[in-house]
Amino acid sequence: AQSVTQLGSHVSVSEGALVLLRCNYSSSVPPYLFWYVQYPNQGLQLLLKYTSAATLVKGINGFEAEFKKSETSFHLTKPSAHMSDAAEYFCAVRAAGGTSYGKLTFGQGTILTVHP
Amino acid sequence: DTGVSQDPRHKITKRGQNVTFRCDPISEHNRLYWYRQTLGQGPEFLTYFQNEAQLEKSRLLSDRFSAERPKGSFSTLEIQRTEQGDSAMYLCASSLWGLQIPATNEKLFFGSGTQLSVL
Repeated sequence: AQSVTQLGSHVSVSEGALVLLRCNYSSSVPPYLFWYVQYPNQGLQLLLKYTSAATLVKGINGFEAEFKKSETSFHLTKPSAHMSDAAEYFCAVRAAGGTSYGKLTFGQGTILTVHP
Repeated sequence: DTGVSQDPRHKITKRGQNVTFRCDPISEHNRLYWYRQTLGQGPEFLTYFQNEAQLEKSRLLSDRFSAERPKGSFSTLEIQRTEQGDSAMYLCASSLWGLQIPATNEKLFFGSGTQLSVL
């Protein structure tokens, strides 16, 4: 079965510092991987996705993630954190079976705090 | 495009009562998903519809849960005889799917959720 593990439930960075949120996946088939962001009182929003094309995926708001098969990782990075990046971030993998690409298995989430 | 709407935003109920949530998807979207998110966890898939047909249900969806999408537009999720373990955020998402759209391009748009507290 497909699963993802997010390392670190809380990450704190200074404004302007590198953001690194870690995600490792387990999949019996080539995975489709996603990062979502959830701002307070808002719905989950897609940041980026990997669907077996380029291994370095660029998303919205300056985020990017690199798919590394050898490490079974899909870490999310941003070179310079902004205060507005403070939110909860979820890594997800398309669940096995069926025809839907909307059936996802999510990680536990990482809360990103950005301090001045 | 007014986004995915969920109603109510918050629901407090007593154990044993029935509750119903509503989700209004983005108007042209033909797929609708329900997820459940408990505190400190990521969302978990419950079920999804394509138009009015319920195509898949998770084992998390016990017999006390029923979801409908009668006209292929809005959807309701009912929980009968609520238990304290049902306390969670219930999320709805919609997407546009079609043969002319590559499957990998299916994109979910989430609502803000309904927070259920069972006392």
